[in-house]
Amino acid sequence: QKEVEQNSGPLSVPEGAIASLNCTYSDRVSQSFFWYRQYSGKSPELIMSIYSNGDKEDGRFTAQLNKASQYVSLLIRDSQPSDSATYLCAVKRGSARQLTFGSGTQLTVLP
Amino acid sequence: DAGITQSPRHKVTETGTPVTLRCHQTENHRYMYWYRQDPGHGLRLIHYSYGVKDTDKGEVSDGYSVSRSKTEDFLLTLESATSSQTSVYFCAISEEDFTDTQYFGPGTRLTVL
Repeated sequence: QKEVEQNSGPLSVPEGAIASLNCTYSDRVSQSFFWYRQYSGKSPELIMSIYSNGDKEDGRFTAQLNKASQYVSLLIRDSQPSDSATYLCAVKRGSARQLTFGSGTQLTVLP
Repeated sequence: DAGITQSPRHKVTETGTPVTLRCHQTENHRYMYWYRQDPGHGLRLIHYSYGVKDTDKGEVSDGYSVSRSKTEDFLLTLESATSSQTSVYFCAISEEDFTDTQYFGPGTRLTVL
């Protein structure tokens, strides 16, 4: 079992719809969770971080964390074609400084 | 890119040659990281540094060495490049705070023929 798993996609949604991206992790001591967006040929860009159970909203983005079920999700409301990218989930375990990344979900928003 | 530069941005080299990639930051962050990104594998940590002359291995450190003689510079060296080291290499930095947020440089595309 991979430490951090994401559906590779591709995930396609129409413009204006809600895109839902999911990530599960295996280590229960994980404490910090991150979503990065990566456009083709570019570097990862931080979108959201979440540290406690529940929802965290930032504009059109909502991160949801459920530590009991060991999953974290990212919702993108009113999806735009400019949201088309690969979304990477990253998890920090305990006191370690390192992040473990999932392999990413490719999202396409269709005009 | 949060005050991070990487050089070179592109490099083509031959098997068996040494290669050094440079990461330079202007943020004065304590922690620096080297990742490689390959299709289907996401980002994998090669080495990281928690201060000048303080480094540690990551998940895929075999065949790589690092050095950090100044806070702002973190070097990744492939002593004898192999075709399996063809990849995109990203440097990242983070502060010493509770957020653990890492910010990435623009990347170096390395091709080993």
